[in-house]
Amino acid sequence: SQQGEEDPQALSIQEGENATMNCSYKTSINNLQWYRQNSGRGLVHLILIRSNEREKHSGRLRVTLDTSKKSSSLLITASRAADTASYFCATGGGSNYKLTFGKGTLLTVNP
Amino acid sequence: GAVVSQHPSWVICKSGTSVKIECRSLDFQATTMFWYRQFPKQSLMLMATSNEGSKATYEQGVEKDKFLINHASLTLSTLTVTSAHPEDSSFYICSDRVMGLAGRNEQFFGPGTRLTVL
Repeated sequence: SQQGEEDPQALSIQEGENATMNCSYKTSINNLQWYRQNSGRGLVHLILIRSNEREKHSGRLRVTLDTSKKSSSLLITASRAADTASYFCATGGGSNYKLTFGKGTLLTVNP
Repeated sequence: GAVVSQHPSWVICKSGTSVKIECRSLDFQATTMFWYRQFPKQSLMLMATSNEGSKATYEQGVEKDKFLINHASLTLSTLTVTSAHPEDSSFYICSDRVMGLAGRNEQFFGPGTRLTVL
């Protein structure tokens, strides 16, 4: 099964609103990353949060990590139509550096 | 971040033919590259880890004789889908791993290759 599970699977909001996506995972991790994918394109790395961090900011993005609950959230503030994309969390760890991706959240920001 | 290119960006082929996809790390030397497959509206599934100068490591359930990986240089890895069938139609994405500070593990992804097998 997928290591990461995002919810909601799909989210539709109006421009200017905030969007929150959640990710849960099952095993212990070294870090958790969030990626964005525009339709039919590759992935763009957004932010990495290490297992000893609880919160991280990057521009309009805010990521939290709760290792006790094995969950993370990605908040996009003041959303724009250009934020429309799929967002994936990915957990990584160990010497093999492999990433395991969640199922993703499709975010639609309506102008 | 690192820039990764893929070629071709899309390919249509007949069933039974082989297709080669290239993944290039343009500004970093990548001893390790990863190949993923993504079916429509689904997540990325890791297929294999490509190691420069050695054999690739395949994930469980991925046929190594069907998906040939060659990582002959520090900037190029290739994935060849041999005897392609319609069920191999998918979006193939590669990434390279760049080690940053304190051992953080960050991957930079190529733009993907859309394979359609008729």
